Amino acid sequence: GIQVEQSPPDLILQEGANSTLRCNFSDSVNNLQWFHQNPWGQLINLFYIPSGTKQNGRLSATTVATERYSLLYISSSQTTDSGVYFCAVITGKLIFGQGTTLQVKP
Amino acid sequence: DVKVTQSSRYLVKRTGEKVFLECVQDMDHENMFWYRQDPGLGLRLIYFSYDVKMKEKGDIPEGYSVSREKKERFSLILESASTNQTSMYLCASSRLGSTDTQYFGPGTRLTVL
Repeated sequence: GIQVEQSPPDLILQEGANSTLRCNFSDSVNNLQWFHQNPWGQLINLFYIPSGTKQNGRLSATTVATERYSLLYISSSQTTDSGVYFCAVITGKLIFGQGTTLQVKP
Repeated sequence: DVKVTQSSRYLVKRTGEKVFLECVQDMDHENMFWYRQDPGLGLRLIYFSYDVKMKEKGDIPEGYSVSREKKERFSLILESASTNQTSMYLCASSRLGSTDTQYFGPGTRLTVL
């Protein structure tokens, strides 16, 4: 089956810093989502991005489907950005990566 | 905005009890899903449904069953709860079409003693 790998597994930032999270997948996929899981466990949709680039405020995402990776950019990070970031590829069902745990320190 | 709600945020049950986890979505979505999330194992699909009264097994269906009597409601049933079913349970829904965005509920943290 398709493998989804995220890097780095853990990331600690100072408030205001920028970061890039990466998601690699092992085969062609129909679509890809990025989620943020907050400290209470809720999975919040960030992007639905089969290809190209999307931006939403301080967050943006780029998927290069032909090269089988996606990137999530967080600019000017805030403490509320802390949590776990998941990418998931969609092939009839969601296949999740293991996540990147982000801690933003004040 | 899509809203997916789950009946409980926290639940504590005893081994052997029958447990019902309820999920309701308000966007007339055809597809509904149940996942569990465990440290080190990530999110795994238990069951899903593409239509009323229809169900399909996911990756880890053993020990679980589901019910979908109405389009908006998808129930996960633990027939006889066991301690290894202690987990975070997440429900999701999406429109018809296998590649559409999935929207998640807030989750239920189930502890089986």
